[in-house]
Amino acid sequence: ELKVEQNPLFLSMQEGKNYTIYCNYSTTSDRLYWYRQDPGKSLESLFVLLSNGAVKQEGRLMASLDTKARLSTLHITAAVHDLSATYFCAGRTGNQFYFGTGTSLTVIP
Amino acid sequence: NAGVTQTPKFRVLKTGQSMTLLCAQDMNHEYMYWYRQDPGMGLRLIHYSVGEGTTAKGEVPDGYNVSRLKKQNFLLGLESAAPSQTSVYFCASSYRDRALLQYFGPGTRLTVT
Repeated sequence: ELKVEQNPLFLSMQEGKNYTIYCNYSTTSDRLYWYRQDPGKSLESLFVLLSNGAVKQEGRLMASLDTKARLSTLHITAAVHDLSATYFCAGRTGNQFYFGTGTSLTVIP
Repeated sequence: NAGVTQTPKFRVLKTGQSMTLLCAQDMNHEYMYWYRQDPGMGLRLIHYSVGEGTTAKGEVPDGYNVSRLKKQNFLLGLESAAPSQTSVYFCASSYRDRALLQYFGPGTRLTVT
C-alpha cells in the first residue's frame, strides 16, 4: 500500500510571501497528483506529474516531482488570499489513488 | 455538460438502514471511483470501475457494494449502515489514458445515527 505524507498540515502565510508544501510517498508511484479543495466544496485537479523531473506551473503555483527521493513539492509564489484552501497530493499505483491528509493554507492580508 | 453529478446531496440514515448513492457523468469517461472523506483526512478509495460491468475494491471496501451497469453511472450501496460510515462521499471519473486526470462530483454528506 502506498503511504503519502504531507507537511505542513497547517500553513498560515502572509500575502506576497513564498512557501513550499512537501509530499513524501513510501513506494513507487506511477504518477503524482495535486488537488485543491475549498471549504465545503469538492476537489479540483491542479497538476498531474507524469515522470521524474516533471515540473508544472499554473499562475502562482508550481509543482515538481523527484521520483528518486519520492518527493513532490508545491511551491507558492507571492501568495494571495484567493489561494486559501486545502491542498492534497496523491500517489497512484495501478488504478488506485492514495491521498495525503492535506495542507490547510490560510493567506493573511 | 453537467460533468459529474451525485444524488442525493445530503442524507440521514438510522443504523441498519440501506441506501444507494448515484454518480453520473456525461464525459464518456471509462473509469469511475468512489471515495470517502473524513474530517482531517484525505480521500480514501472505496471501490472503482475501469469499465461498464466491472468493479474492483479500493482501500476501504468493507460495508459497501457497487455496480456499474451503464458506462455513465456508478452506484454505491450501503446494505446496513453503521455510524462509522458517516462521511462525505465523492465520486470521480477519468479517461483511460496515461494521466488518469480525475473530475470530481460535488459530494454527498451522509450521517448515520
